[in-house]
Amino acid sequence: KAGVTQTPRYLIKTRGQQVTLSCSPISGHRSVSWYQQTPGQGLQFLFEYFSETQRNKGNFPGRFSGRQFSNSRSEMNVSTLELGDSALYLCASTSLGGETQYFGPGTRLLVL
Amino acid sequence: GENVEQHPSTLSVQEGDSAVIKCTYSDSASNYFPWYKQELGKGPQLIIDIRSNVGEKKDQRIAVTLNKTAKHFSLHITETQPEDSAVYFCAASTNSNYQLIWGAGTKLIIKP
Repeated sequence: KAGVTQTPRYLIKTRGQQVTLSCSPISGHRSVSWYQQTPGQGLQFLFEYFSETQRNKGNFPGRFSGRQFSNSRSEMNVSTLELGDSALYLCASTSLGGETQYFGPGTRLLVL
Repeated sequence: GENVEQHPSTLSVQEGDSAVIKCTYSDSASNYFPWYKQELGKGPQLIIDIRSNVGEKKDQRIAVTLNKTAKHFSLHITETQPEDSAVYFCAASTNSNYQLIWGAGTKLIIKP
């Protein structure tokens, strides 16, 4: 099976812009979680989607949003970008009834 | 809510020696404990996991132990090699919300 894929891998934006990141889970997986990772920091949970519904949400401002499509692909959007949004954004997929999260390679976002 | 503490934040060991990373969790209902390894520029990869009905699990040079009474679990790496250098994350979850709670990570440095 193909692993979790994320696009784009690298992105440069300027303050105030918005950005959309995409994640394709492992075939058959219906849950997708998103994380933000800043240099030297751990994994900060953004949100989790299951069957097109947001099931869990972390403590991030409303500028961070996401959605999931019927084919389980997910997107996250960050509006009005700030310098502090520069980070590696990771998505992970989980199989139905499973607990193990499988991560993609991440999208590295740089906000100038 | 659930909290996972991970220690140490940085661990430097001589090649060939053993490394031990420890995590404690707060929610006694936690029943799934994975460990992930993140190499530079990559997403975290599952290396071993344990469930609450098991006290120890081994996979070649890697082992995880769980003490439910004390609410802590540990990762043991024996005969360390240069390729073990990475950041290691522990996590815990319950059956109730499918969300992994993450430790802050340990940077493992293997000295030649």
